[in-house]
Amino acid sequence: EIVLTQSPGTLSLSLGERATLSCRASESVSSSYLAWYQQKSGQAPRLLIYGASSRATGIPDRFSGSGSGTDFTLTISRLEPEDFAVYYCQQYGSFFGGGTKVEIK
Amino acid sequence: EVQLVESGGGLVQPGGSLRLSCAASGFTFSSYAMSWVRQAPGKGLEWVSAISGSGDSTYYADSVKGRFTISRDNSKNTLYLQMNSLRAEDTAVYYCAKYSSGWTSDFFDYWGQGTLVTVSS
Repeated sequence: EIVLTQSPGTLSLSLGERATLSCRASESVSSSYLAWYQQKSGQAPRLLIYGASSRATGIPDRFSGSGSGTDFTLTISRLEPEDFAVYYCQQYGSFFGGGTKVEIK
Repeated sequence: EVQLVESGGGLVQPGGSLRLSCAASGFTFSSYAMSWVRQAPGKGLEWVSAISGSGDSTYYADSVKGRFTISRDNSKNTLYLQMNSLRAEDTAVYYCAKYSSGWTSDFFDYWGQGTLVTVSS
């Protein structure tokens, strides 16, 4: 079982700042089978990124994913008010990381 | 438009049973694997179970194995989760999620809004 560790647990940033979220796997994730989801308070998760770096339909280009092997990153280039949420990484099919909360500073 | 609508949640006593349903529309249901994912209050996402498009293959998290059963009725475009021997730690919002392909080793491209299950005496 691959364990996904997300850091930091909470990221406090201001509007317009750049957010960098990390997801580290305990073993190599094959073929970049890694996804990122956004969950706003009281809502269901929403797919942001698949294949480690491909944006899902309708996702703004300020969101980008990168990485391979065991180290993956989600970057939000300039934070908008609607981006404050919890972000989860997931190895395809099952296990999720513990999440990173992006909050307004 | 893809829609996933869960139902069947509620309050149940420890040791009790509950069956969740997820009504799907807007896509060819039988062509896609489906899953249940839960979220305990204030906690992160936990994958619970998955089923192939045909229903022939099923998978479970260790935490629910032997107590929960996932199934689907492709003629009714509906996914189910039968939950038996419920424990307090099963209290969570249960989400129905659609895999992006027929494989359970893929990512989730759509989620339902969730149904709350509370296990308490």
